[in-house]
Amino acid sequence: DSGVTQTPKHLITATGQRVTLRCSPRSGDLSVYWYQQSLDQGLQFLIQYYNGEERAKGNILERFSAQQFPDLHSELNLSSLELGDSALYFCASTGDNYNEQFFGPGTRLTVL
Amino acid sequence: DAKTTQPTSMDCAEGRAANLPCNHSTISGNEYVYWYRQIHSQGPQYIIHGLKNNETNEMASLIITEDRKSSTLILPHATLRDTAVYYCIVRGFGNEKLTFGTGTRLTIIP
Repeated sequence: DSGVTQTPKHLITATGQRVTLRCSPRSGDLSVYWYQQSLDQGLQFLIQYYNGEERAKGNILERFSAQQFPDLHSELNLSSLELGDSALYFCASTGDNYNEQFFGPGTRLTVL
Repeated sequence: DAKTTQPTSMDCAEGRAANLPCNHSTISGNEYVYWYRQIHSQGPQYIIHGLKNNETNEMASLIITEDRKSSTLILPHATLRDTAVYYCIVRGFGNEKLTFGTGTRLTIIP
């Protein structure tokens, strides 16, 4: 158990819909990262937040957005969903020692 | 971050040492080598990292060649639970994101 929690575990929805994925980092970790793992693209970095502020951006689509709240939990919002958005979405967190990222169990999103 | 090249798959007998190679010939002086693994569809798990010296922890050893163009992750006594995809990642100092490649699928054979 990494100490990072993600909800929900599974999500099934239809094209065009909007969903929110939630991540709670390890206690005290200020940095939160979001990654997407799909069959054709592998594991890709999406975005990072540090103490509520966006710190780095990767291959995140404009239809996707994220935020980190004062209690340090983070949410990833996916809108106008397409079939290709079906993937595993992982959240990770780090503390001051950013060498080790602790990953959550992931949310499996299926878009039908 | 420098690109890495790993074999697609490897097998290792249970109880033997598993040696996973990684090529990172374009690595620059301030880039570190990290290893993560992913068991089935679980979240990736950090294993070890290093800059130029060999490193060892309770999970594995990391051997980096003197020219730093390649490295080897060693699992000293592989068990069935070590069956996973192993990712070698090169990351620059101050760059916090991880760039995953395709990794090596390691299968431990009973």
